[in-house]
Amino acid sequence: GEDVEQSLFLSVREGDSSVINCTYTDSSSTYLYWYKQEPGAGLQLLTYIFSNMDMKQDQRLTVLLNKKDKHLSLRIADTQTGDSAIYFCAESNDYNKLIFGAGTRLAVHP
Amino acid sequence: NAGVTQTPKFQVLKTGQSMTLQCAQDMNHEYMSWYRQDPGMGLRLIHYSVGAGITDQGEVPNGYNVSRSTTEDFPLRLLSAAPSQTSVYFCASSYSPAGGETQYFGPGTRLLVL
Repeated sequence: GEDVEQSLFLSVREGDSSVINCTYTDSSSTYLYWYKQEPGAGLQLLTYIFSNMDMKQDQRLTVLLNKKDKHLSLRIADTQTGDSAIYFCAESNDYNKLIFGAGTRLAVHP
Repeated sequence: NAGVTQTPKFQVLKTGQSMTLQCAQDMNHEYMSWYRQDPGMGLRLIHYSVGAGITDQGEVPNGYNVSRSTTEDFPLRLLSAAPSQTSVYFCASSYSPAGGETQYFGPGTRLLVL
């Protein structure tokens, strides 16, 4: 079946860039998403990319998609302490049934 | 708009008890879904609904029932709770079931089954 994998933990210094990586197996994935979960809260959609795109930029966020390698990354520029959270990669086909990775916990330290 | 609301926030059950987790949205969204989140795993889809009167199974439906009698509400029923159902449950909604539609998540219900 479909699978989405992420590294579990990333630690960065405040002001540096963070890069969170994700791989997926379903070659029919149409949409790939990044969600953010803060402690005790639900998930918040950060951004998504359509499978025919290579890159999407939204303020401090840059998403890169390598469809050949089925690799997705999220770069957060100028990482702040408020960016500390769990980041989930997810994919779906044309139907909005999401397959999630296990999440990457981002810790930002001064 | 209140967005997606879930009640209760926390619940402790004994094995074999039944209960209903409530989910409501006030955004007139057609698509609603239930996920569970377990430690070290991503969210997994339990059931979903593309509109009032229509429901379908997700990845892990066993032990759960749903119904969708109105657009606003999508309750999740545990028929006979088991310790394996200890989890955090999230309800989500989106305007349509089409891929790429933003799904809005509720704050979650933390369930412990003893």
